[in-house]
Amino acid sequence: DAGVTQSPTHLIKTRGQHVTLRCSPISGHKSVSWYQQVLGQGPQFIFQYYEKEERGRGNFPDRFSARQFPNYSSELNVNALLLGDSALYLCASSLGGYLRYGYTFGSGTRLTVV
Amino acid sequence: GIQVEQSPPDLILQEGANSTLRCNFSDSVNNLQWFHQNPWGQLINLFYIPSGTKQNGRLSATTVATERYSLLYISSSQTTDSGVYFCAVCSGTYKYIFGTGTRLKVLA
Repeated sequence: DAGVTQSPTHLIKTRGQHVTLRCSPISGHKSVSWYQQVLGQGPQFIFQYYEKEERGRGNFPDRFSARQFPNYSSELNVNALLLGDSALYLCASSLGGYLRYGYTFGSGTRLTVV
Repeated sequence: GIQVEQSPPDLILQEGANSTLRCNFSDSVNNLQWFHQNPWGQLINLFYIPSGTKQNGRLSATTVATERYSLLYISSSQTTDSGVYFCAVCSGTYKYIFGTGTRLKVLA
């Protein structure tokens, strides 16, 4: 079975632009979470979706939004990009809505804002 | 919110050496995972271990939830063990808080 897949792997955008990142969870997993990892730090929680509903949101501005589709894949959207949005964006899938099953992470999308 | 501290922050080992990485957390947790982040950025799940002890090959982990710490043991280290090791904890239901990480370099 395929693991968690993310696309694109790398992306360069200009300040003020919009970006969409995509994630496909492991088959059978119904929960997708998004994390941002700035260089030299641990990942920071952005969103969790379970059964197409937002279950939690981290301390990120409204420029960040996400959604989950009927096939459980997910998109993370960031509007009005800032230089500080440059980071590795990680998607994680889990079997249920609660983390007692643990996470499996994708390889990430490395976003550079210039 | 819950605080997660990992020690040591940096570790350099000779191939074949053993090491212990520590994760302290400031409040009770109901989930805990150890991850290895490889040089390409992927987080590899090592252990899901909210309590007790688990072993997988050269790696083992112990979590003592009542004392709010977890340990990751690496035996007979190899150069491929290099990278950053993260502890992540969950005290609620939907998100992990990651520690600061331990950067490990194993020399041949």
